[in-house]
Amino acid sequence: AQTVTQSQPEMSVQEAETVTLSCTYDTSESDYYLFWYKQPPSRQMILVIRQEAYKQQNATENRFSVNFQKAAKSFSLKISDSQLGDAAMYFCAYRSAGAGSYQLTFGKGTKLSVIP
Amino acid sequence: EPEVTQTPSHQVTQMGQEVILRCVPISNHLYFYWYRQILGQKVEFLVSFYNNEISEKSEIFDDQFSVERPDGSNFTLKIRSTKLEDSAMYFCASRGGRGAVVRHYEQYFGPGTRLTVT
Repeated sequence: AQTVTQSQPEMSVQEAETVTLSCTYDTSESDYYLFWYKQPPSRQMILVIRQEAYKQQNATENRFSVNFQKAAKSFSLKISDSQLGDAAMYFCAYRSAGAGSYQLTFGKGTKLSVIP
Repeated sequence: EPEVTQTPSHQVTQMGQEVILRCVPISNHLYFYWYRQILGQKVEFLVSFYNNEISEKSEIFDDQFSVERPDGSNFTLKIRSTKLEDSAMYFCASRGGRGAVVRHYEQYFGPGTRLTVT
């Protein structure tokens, strides 16, 4: 079974600075997808960024980028120019690429605080 | 942008009672999910539903749980006889499927229902 580990329960960052959230995972599969979800205090989880395991290029979405290290099974999220609205819980998630229901396996989350 | 909605936002029930948690997925989505998050723990997959039947379920989803799409718009999770350990946040999610034009892979989550069993 796949597992996802987020070793940082809480992080803080100064507004306009850069922060990196860590995620490692364990799988025996070679093809899969990785996601970062954001859960603001309103509690609706929103997809931030997605990475396909077969792609070597790291995904980027505006101020959000990932560092995907397949051999190390590491998938960190970098937030540049942090804004107050980035304060939220961030969840790393894994999904198999095989046929199936596309269920997500989540880490425990990292609570990010942004200091003005 | 379309959203997944869930009602109620908070449900308090006594141990042994039945509860039904309701979700309205995004209207043209085909795949539906329930997840739960016990306070301080991971978000865990419960069940997925497609074409009016369960496609996958986790070991958490035992005989006390059931899901239904009664009217083509709502998607419900029923817990027959609640236990204290069922207290959690329950999230519904939906996904478009391959026929969707954009981002068929993405699961859209609702805001959750906090279930408290006393």
